[in-house]
Amino acid sequence: AQKVTQAQTEISVVEKEDVTLDCVYETRDTTYYLFWYKQPPSGELVFLIRRNSFDEQNEISGRYSWNFQKSTSSFNFTITASQVVDSAVYFCALSEALANAGKSTFGDGTTLTVKP
Amino acid sequence: DAGVTQSPTHLIKTRGQQVTLRCSPKSGHDTVSWYQQALGQGPQFIFQYYEEEERQRGNFPDRFSGHQFPNYSSELNVNALLLGDSALYLCASARTGIYEQYFGPGTRLTVT
Repeated sequence: AQKVTQAQTEISVVEKEDVTLDCVYETRDTTYYLFWYKQPPSGELVFLIRRNSFDEQNEISGRYSWNFQKSTSSFNFTITASQVVDSAVYFCALSEALANAGKSTFGDGTTLTVKP
Repeated sequence: DAGVTQSPTHLIKTRGQQVTLRCSPKSGHDTVSWYQQALGQGPQFIFQYYEEEERQRGNFPDRFSGHQFPNYSSELNVNALLLGDSALYLCASARTGIYEQYFGPGTRLTVT
């Protein structure tokens, strides 16, 4: 069975601080996908990144960066120079690799509050 | 290009009633998945529809059923509602083989 653990329930930082959100996953599959989503108060999940299990290259997109380490089954997300608009709930998710976009297993999320 | 749309936005039902939630996928998408998100938790996978058939199912009872129409839109039906069914119901669509799901704004269901 697949499992995603986001041990940090809530994180509070002051604007311009860097913050890292942790994600640890469990799966028996050799091929899988990992995702990060952002859920603002409006409720709609916003896709941030997808990474497949064969690609351990770290990725940077503006102030966002992701560190995928298969050896420790972790897929951590770092926001550099955080801003108030980054305040939201962030979810890490794991998906089976099937032809039609397999079901995703989500963690329980980390609530990030960025204070001015 | 419209994204994933869901209706209604909010719904209040009484225990024992039945409810139908609707989802229109993003243009070009043919796979629709439904998730239940209880307060303070991550979304839980209910089932997925592709080519008008249920292809995968999560750990939800048979009270939860669905349908996909030829235009790829989908419905989620829940019978014999329980208080514990109160949640945000999210619909996600994707294009076959493309591992990016786009989520709708959700339907907030309250069962009293």
